[in-house]
Amino acid sequence: AQSVTQPDIHITVSEGASLELRCNYSYGATPYLFWYVQSPGQGLQLLLKYFSGDTLVQGIKGFEAEFKRSQSSFNLRKPSVHWSDAAEYFCAVGGGLTGGGNKLTFGTGTQLKVEL
Amino acid sequence: DTGVSQNPRHKITKRGQNVTFRCDPISEHNRLYWYRQTLGQGPEFLTYFQNEAQLEKSRLLSDRFSAERPKGSFSTLEIQRTEQGDSAMYLCASSTGLAGGFLASSGANVLTFGAGSRLTVL
Repeated sequence: AQSVTQPDIHITVSEGASLELRCNYSYGATPYLFWYVQSPGQGLQLLLKYFSGDTLVQGIKGFEAEFKRSQSSFNLRKPSVHWSDAAEYFCAVGGGLTGGGNKLTFGTGTQLKVEL
Repeated sequence: DTGVSQNPRHKITKRGQNVTFRCDPISEHNRLYWYRQTLGQGPEFLTYFQNEAQLEKSRLLSDRFSAERPKGSFSTLEIQRTEQGDSAMYLCASSTGLAGGFLASSGANVLTFGAGSRLTVL
């Protein structure tokens, strides 16, 4: 069964500092990986996705993530955090060409707080 | 493109009552998904439709839950005889895609989520 682990429940960074949010996945084949962000009372917004190819993927709002197969990781990074980045971040994994739709398995999320 | 729309945004009900949530997906999306999110957790898959066909249901979807997508457009999620444990955010998402899962070279199959419907059962 596929699963996602986000080991950090809460992270606090200062505005302007760099950020890395960790994500480890378990999947029996080539994973399709996603990062979503959720602001209070809002739905999930896609930040970036990895399907294949270059293992460093760029997303919206200056975020990037690197797929490391050997470590089963897909960590999210941002070089300089803005106060508006405070939100909850979810990593998700989906299946490849296995049929059955795009069912995603999400991690439990990392709550990011930005100190001014 | 107005995005995925969910109604109502908030619902407070008493235990034992029935509730229904509606989801209007992005018009050109043929797949529609329901997820449930409880406090401190990530979204959990409930069920999904391709057009009007319900293709998969999670074990989380007890007999008290029923989802429909009668004309392949909007969908409803009904919860009968609500329990306090049903209190959660119910998220709807939609996507394009063909039968057979992901298309590796396409932006299709990326889920676009609505803002959710928050249910509180007293």
